[in-house]
Amino acid sequence: DAGVTQSPTHLIKTRGQQVTLRCSPKSGHDTVSWYQQALGQGPQFIFQYYEEEERQRGNFPDRFSGHQFPNYSSELNVNALLLGDSALYLCASRLYGTGVNQPQHFGDGTRLSIL
Amino acid sequence: SQQGEEDPQALSIQEGENATMNCSYKTSINNLQWYRQNSGRGLVHLILIRSNEREKHSGRLRVTLDTSKKSSSLLITASRAADTASYFCATDGANFGNEKLTFGTGTRLTIIP
Repeated sequence: DAGVTQSPTHLIKTRGQQVTLRCSPKSGHDTVSWYQQALGQGPQFIFQYYEEEERQRGNFPDRFSGHQFPNYSSELNVNALLLGDSALYLCASRLYGTGVNQPQHFGDGTRLSIL
Repeated sequence: SQQGEEDPQALSIQEGENATMNCSYKTSINNLQWYRQNSGRGLVHLILIRSNEREKHSGRLRVTLDTSKKSSSLLITASRAADTASYFCATDGANFGNEKLTFGTGTRLTIIP
């Protein structure tokens, strides 16, 4: 039973470029959330997708966008990259509506470095 | 913004000793979860405690929750070198379908062999 998988594991970009990160949720899960974790900090919620729609959004600019596909996998897109976007990007999944009793399952993340 | 704070920010103990870390949060919750993160890796779920529970055990882990004080503690007994990691508490919102987890700032635990 595969857990949450993310690709790529590492990525180096320059300022102003665009990047796409990918996530496949754990088998049986249908909602995907994305988090940004700066060095030495706790993860910050970016947004959540369910039924191919963005359902919740954290305090992130419109440069951050996403998509969910019919097979529940998801992409995170970041445009016009800034140095401050350097971080570990984590994807988490869960079966929607089970939040009272079920934890979110996280992938190993994508380390994004902006030069 | 972070939900709250973990205390202490860093903790170093000898192998075999117990480690206690605390977490405070600000809003109503469905549950509170503790995660472990090894350096540069993803988050591993350790334990979930619901808002109507006061204490929960899992192996060498003991978690308490005090909703009146909006605080939780994680106790790791008989620590091992492999417990060296960062530990985060995360609160799950009180609304159905709210998938957002709000994390604390984390405690970096070092176990000295």
